Parts: sequence; structure tokens; C-alpha cells
Amino acid sequence: EAAVTQSPRNKVAVTGGKVTLSCNQTNNHNNMYWYRQDTGHGLRLIHYSYGAGSTEKGDIPDGYKASRPSQENFSLILELATPSQTSVYFCASGGTGGSSYEQYFGPGTRLTVL
Amino acid sequence: GQQVQQSPASLVLQEGENAELQCNFSTSLNSMQWFYQRPGGSLVSLFYNPSGTKHSGRLTSTTVIKERRSSLHISSSQTTDSGTYLCALEGASGSWQLIFGSGTQLTVMP
Repeated sequence: EAAVTQSPRNKVAVTGGKVTLSCNQTNNHNNMYWYRQDTGHGLRLIHYSYGAGSTEKGDIPDGYKASRPSQENFSLILELATPSQTSVYFCASGGTGGSSYEQYFGPGTRLTVL
Repeated sequence: GQQVQQSPASLVLQEGENAELQCNFSTSLNSMQWFYQRPGGSLVSLFYNPSGTKHSGRLTSTTVIKERRSSLHISSSQTTDSGTYLCALEGASGSWQLIFGSGTQLTVMP
């Protein structure tokens, strides 16, 4: 069974503070993704990675950085958090070929920026 | 315009009724995935279905590439089926990025 975990599960941050969201996958997938989900906007892609050392910008990268230090770990970094970044963040991992490009999602992190 | 359109936006059923959820897309695709999400929950993959028909219990997914549509059929609905159903496609550009529809909110009444 695919396994993607996220930490923390809930986070309250102050405006201007630094926030790091972590994601770990044990699927040995090359690709990893960070999404945010907001009412009225659905799921939107922030950053993604094709493998260790790579990060790519998604559809809404402004205000976010990403880091992929290893195959298993992918972090999302908010250097200067703002209230507009209050959201639920999902990490996902996905295969890169063969018979499946299926993506598997983590449990989500609820971030509130005050 | 929107590349993935889901319908209906919301649906209310009596337990035991069947449901047909639709996903139409305006771009060529590599893959189509259906997810289920409970309120406050994560996305659970129901089907990875780039083409053809797949079955899983009371669920059936059918993707017809030429007609640019995918459907999710739920038979004999149960109250535990309530939640949001999302379709997502990976475009043919080969970037492995999913484009999500806005979802169908399903409520099954006892």
C-alpha cells in the first residue's frame, strides 16, 4: 500500500514567520507534489519534483519554496507566512512510467496564519 | 477555459439509488484518476483509468478518450458514500501534473 505522511498535521503560525511543511513517502516514487486546497479554488499545484535535488514551479509558486533532499522527502517552505496562505496543504507522490502514473496523497496539513 | 469540468456539482440520493458522475475534458490526456474525499479528509484514489472500463465493488469507472469524457458510476449507494468525488487528468504534455475538476459533492440520505 502506498504511504505518504505529512508533518505537522496542524500548524498555527504568525504573519511574517517561517513555516516548513514536511512530506515523506515510502513508495520509491520519483515524483512528488505539493498542492493547496481552498474552497472555491479546488486543488492547486504549488511545487513539484522529479527526483532528489530537483524542484519545479507549479501553477501558484509565489511565496513558497520547495526542497527535495532525498527520494523520500519533500518540504514546502513559507519564508514569510501571510494570512492568504491559510489553507490545507497536501503532498502527493507519483510513479513516472511503466503502467501507471497514479498519484497517492498524504493526510494533509491544516495551516492557519494569524 | 477550464480544462476539466465535473457534473453535477452536487447530488442528493436516497440510500440504494445509483449515481452517475461525469468528467469532461478539453485537452488530450495521458491518464485519468478519480478520488474520494470526506469532509476534512485526504484524497483517496478510487481509480486510475486512462481508458476503458474498470470495476471496484459497487464502483465503475469508464473513460472514453475520443469523446473526452470519464464517468464514475456508483451502484446501490450507501450513506458512507457521502463526500466529494474529484476527477483529475494528466495532460498529454508528459509533465505528470494532475489537473483537477471542481468535484461533485454527494449526499446519500438514509
